[in-house]
Amino acid sequence: GQNIDQPTEMTATEGAIVQINCTYQTSGFNGLFWYQQHAGEAPTFLSYNVLDGLEEKGRFSSFLSRSKGYSYLLLKELQMKDSASYLCAATDSNYQLIWGAGTKLIIKP
Amino acid sequence: GAVVSQHPSRVICKSGTSVKIECRSLDFQATTMFWYRQFPKQSLMLMATSNEGSKATYEQGVEKDKFLINHASLTLSTLTVTSAHPEDSSFYICSARDPRLEGKQYFGPGTRLTVL
Repeated sequence: GQNIDQPTEMTATEGAIVQINCTYQTSGFNGLFWYQQHAGEAPTFLSYNVLDGLEEKGRFSSFLSRSKGYSYLLLKELQMKDSASYLCAATDSNYQLIWGAGTKLIIKP
Repeated sequence: GAVVSQHPSRVICKSGTSVKIECRSLDFQATTMFWYRQFPKQSLMLMATSNEGSKATYEQGVEKDKFLINHASLTLSTLTVTSAHPEDSSFYICSARDPRLEGKQYFGPGTRLTVL
C-alpha cells in the first residue's frame, strides 16, 4: 500500500535548527511536497523535490533521496511564527498526493 | 504566484439545509481540483477529485449524493453539502492543480462550516 510516515510532534528552541523527516512508499513517484499549516488555516506550499539532493530556499531547505524513499525539511534560525504543522506529501504515478499526518512543531523561547 | 480563492470563508447553518462552497483558481486554468475535509487536530482527508467537464471521483466512504461536486469551468469547482448535519461541521479546503507543474497543488483558504 501507499504510506507516508513523519513524526507526530517535535519541539525546538527559537533560533535553533530543526529537521523534520518523512519516509514514503508510493506506487510510482513524481515528486514530494512540503506544506506548512498554521492552526485554523489552509496549508501553504513550502517546497517541491523530484530529483535527489538538497533544495535551499531561505531559512527552509528540503532534501530528497528517491532510492531511500526519504525526505526531510530543515528549518534554520527558528522563529516563533514557525510553530505550525508541517505536512509531507508524495505524488504517485497518477500524480495523486499521498499525505502524511503532519508534524506539529512547537517552538519555545 | 498562483492563487486559489474559496467562498465563503465561514458559514453557520441550521441542520437540514444545504450549503454551497465555491473554489476558484484565479490566475491559471485548473483541469483538476481537489476537495479536502479536516477535523480539528487531524490531517487533511481527501474527499473527492473534481475534473472539469466530467464527474467527480469520490474517495471511499464519502457519500457522493451528500457532497455534490460540480466543476463546470476550468477555474471554478463547487462543493454542495446537502441536508447538512452537525457531524458535517468541519474545515473544508479546496486545492487546484497547476498544469504548468505536474502535481503541484495550491490551496484555497478554507471554509469553516458549522451546522447547528
